[in-house]
Amino acid sequence: KAGVTQTPRYLIKTRGQQVTLSCSPISGHRSVSWYQQTPGQGLQFLFEYFSETQRNKGNFPGRFSGRQFSNSRSEMNVSTLELGDSALYLCASSLVVRSGTQYFGPGTRLLVL
Amino acid sequence: QQPVQSPQAVILREGEDAVINCSSSKALYSVHWYRQKHGEAPVFLMILLKGGEQKGHDKISASFNEKKQQSSLYLTASQLSYSGTYFCGTEPPGSGGSNYKLTFGKGTLLTVNP
Repeated sequence: KAGVTQTPRYLIKTRGQQVTLSCSPISGHRSVSWYQQTPGQGLQFLFEYFSETQRNKGNFPGRFSGRQFSNSRSEMNVSTLELGDSALYLCASSLVVRSGTQYFGPGTRLLVL
Repeated sequence: QQPVQSPQAVILREGEDAVINCSSSKALYSVHWYRQKHGEAPVFLMILLKGGEQKGHDKISASFNEKKQQSSLYLTASQLSYSGTYFCGTEPPGSGGSNYKLTFGKGTLLTVNP
């Protein structure tokens, strides 16, 4: 089975721009979670989607949004980028919602200048 | 509430043992352990559900003390391949999908030297 894929892998943006990241889960996985990873804060939960519905959201401003499509692929959008948004954005898919093993993608490294 | 991991970093020689702890201030339903090597994505090690069970994965095992709201990861006879950052993720009790939220600790950097 193919693993979780994320595109693009690297991205450089300037302050004020917006960005869209994409995640394709493992085939058959309907739960997709997004995380922001920075050296200082570690892995921080952004949101989780299941069957096109956002079921949970972390403590991030409204500039961070996402969606999930009927084929379980998910996108994450960050509007009005700030320097502090520079991070590795990881998506993970899971077969089950509760206590499921999370399979992480390679991540998208975003640099905001 | 982010779980607290200790120690923040540990350096071992090949063959030595290590223990990594993960503590939460809130009740837990499950604890997940992941390892991330530099430049790679986190990889699942094991999940422990409430009940105080202990699980093993090769020479890596873990325990979960529900009452103390903490989990410990035991690495026995460490190998060079064990190097990486270990994260614990905690899940609160409750039912329903809206409660699903895996909260990770800041990680423990483990370095195994020859």
